[in-house]
Amino acid sequence: QKEVEQDPGPLSVPEGAIVSLNCTYSNSAFQYFMWYRQYSRKGPELLMYTYSSGNKEDGRFTAQVDKSSKYISLFIRDSQPSDSATYLCAMRQNAGNMLTFGGGTRLMVKP
Amino acid sequence: SAVISQKPSRDICQRGTSLTIQCQVDSQVTMMFWYRQQPGQSLTLIATANQGSEATYESGFVIDKFPISRPNLTFSTLTVSNMSPEDSSIYLCSARTSGLTGELFFGEGSRLTVL
Repeated sequence: QKEVEQDPGPLSVPEGAIVSLNCTYSNSAFQYFMWYRQYSRKGPELLMYTYSSGNKEDGRFTAQVDKSSKYISLFIRDSQPSDSATYLCAMRQNAGNMLTFGGGTRLMVKP
Repeated sequence: SAVISQKPSRDICQRGTSLTIQCQVDSQVTMMFWYRQQPGQSLTLIATANQGSEATYESGFVIDKFPISRPNLTFSTLTVSNMSPEDSSIYLCSARTSGLTGELFFGEGSRLTVL
């Protein structure tokens, strides 16, 4: 079993839809959680960064962490075709540790 | 944040040759890393590039195959040696900023095709 699991998709939604992307993990010591967005033929771009449990909102994006369930989510409101990309979750135990990445979910937002 | 430049952005190479990828960061960073991303896959850490000393390699990666240099805080190189078609992949340079959050930033990647 992988340490971080992420549905590879592809997830196809119409423009304007609310998108929910999720990751589950097995290591309860993870405390720092990130979401990266990767456009085709580009490097990953840090999108959201959260520490421990709770929610964090940034514009149309909301990151949610539920440590009791070992489950993190990224919500995208009013999705746009420009949101079409692969979304990677990543996490680590503390600031000094390496990141463990999920496999990525490919999202397609259709106009 | 950190802006990371990599070159070449892509290359097509012949089996048995070697290629060196360069990575330049626009600010001083605490740590630099090299990742590999095979088609449709997630990121696999190759090694941590240590300034002025030998890189720290992850399981499955060795210095003879992937020699790494980091002569200063903002520059690193990764060489892919004696290439085979299995080495066809995207190689990503990344850097971690200092501070409590220690966020990780990535370059655009170097897409390598080995014939």
